[in-house]
Order: sequence, then C-alpha cells, then structure tokens
Amino acid sequence: AQKITQTQPGMFVQEKEAVTLDCTYDTSDPSYGLFWYKQPSSGEMIFLIYQGSYDQQNATEGRYSLNFQKARKSANLVISASQLGDSAMYFCAMREDRRALTFGSGTRLQVQP
Amino acid sequence: NAGVTQTPKFQVLKTGQSMTLQCAQDMNHNSMYWYRQDPGMGLRLIYYSASEGTTDKGEVPNGYNVSRLNKREFSLRLESAAPSQTSVYFCASSDNYGYTFGSGTRLTVV
Repeated sequence: AQKITQTQPGMFVQEKEAVTLDCTYDTSDPSYGLFWYKQPSSGEMIFLIYQGSYDQQNATEGRYSLNFQKARKSANLVISASQLGDSAMYFCAMREDRRALTFGSGTRLQVQP
Repeated sequence: NAGVTQTPKFQVLKTGQSMTLQCAQDMNHNSMYWYRQDPGMGLRLIYYSASEGTTDKGEVPNGYNVSRLNKREFSLRLESAAPSQTSVYFCASSDNYGYTFGSGTRLTVV
C-alpha cells in the first residue's frame, strides 16, 4: 500500500483565490511528521510546512496552512490568496520514527492570471 | 551559506561507465540521504545514513553503492550505469527539526 497518496496530478487556480492540495497517508506509527514541499521549475525542494502527529493545532506558515485530520489520515495543504509564483509541483511527505521521508507523487499547481 | 552541496550538477554517462556523486553538508546533521526523482514522480529513497559509519538501503537501492566518508560527506556510486538510472538525484541531510536538500544532480545515461 502507498504510504503517501496525492490524488490530484494537476490543479488550476485563479490568482488571489485559495486552493487545497490533497494528501492522505498510511502509517501504524503513533509518532510521525507530515511535510509539504514546493518544487518550482528550477528543481530545488523548498520546505513549506510541517505537522507533527501530536500537534493539537493545524500548522500555519504565512499563506500556507495544513488541514490535519488525524482520524481520516489526511494532511491537506491550503494556499490562500494564490500568486503566479505559486505555480510549481507540490509534494506531501511523511517521516515515521525519525526515518527518511517518504514522498507522494506530487500535484502540479498552475496559477492563472 | 550553510546547506547541502552536490557535485556535479549535470552529467552524461555512457552505459557501463561508473561515476560517484558527491554530497557534503555543513550543518552538523547526523542523518543523510540519497533520493532519485524520475519525471512526473516524487522522490524515492535510494540509501540513507542515520549516523557516521552506518548506511541502510531504501526503496530503490539496486545498482547503487554509498559511502558515509565522515559526518559531512555522503557519496553515491554507480558502478555500471544503465539508461534506467537516468534521473535527477537529490542528497539531503536532517536533524530533529527538518530536512535540507541539495540542488540536485541531473544524470543522463545514454
């Protein structure tokens, strides 16, 4: 079974609107962390936001927030007020028991003017 | 600037040639990783090193070897390159707080 599932290969959003990128995960570890990364066309991996499995509140970082629903094993990324520079690939990833990150297949977001 | 440095940035190999991808970090991280990213896919773990002197296989280790030379350096070796190893390779390091990625090596095997 896939550990990280991103079901949206591609998404479009209008500039200044909000968009939600879906991520579901599968783990039996009680302690885990969920990460979102942005990969622009230049190729580098840019860390966006982190949510720990024991965190009581949803993580937020500027225009990024993570909608963490533990019982449903989902960790969706919400980008508010989209900008043209948000066009990129977005990857959800999970760390279990301080091991390496496992990545999903990604979602390509295109922001339209 | 502190971070993860990968060399080379680009490489073209002929089938059967060997090469070593170099990675160094200056953040005093214990753990280091090698990933590969194929077109349209996420990153897949090749090998990782939880600490100096230890290495473990990841999801796709076949055709690769690694060396954790010291705390700073973690190299990836292709002994006999194959076209299936055409990919972008990322090195990363981590501590308890997060991961830092290098800028990647784009490898083409012809």
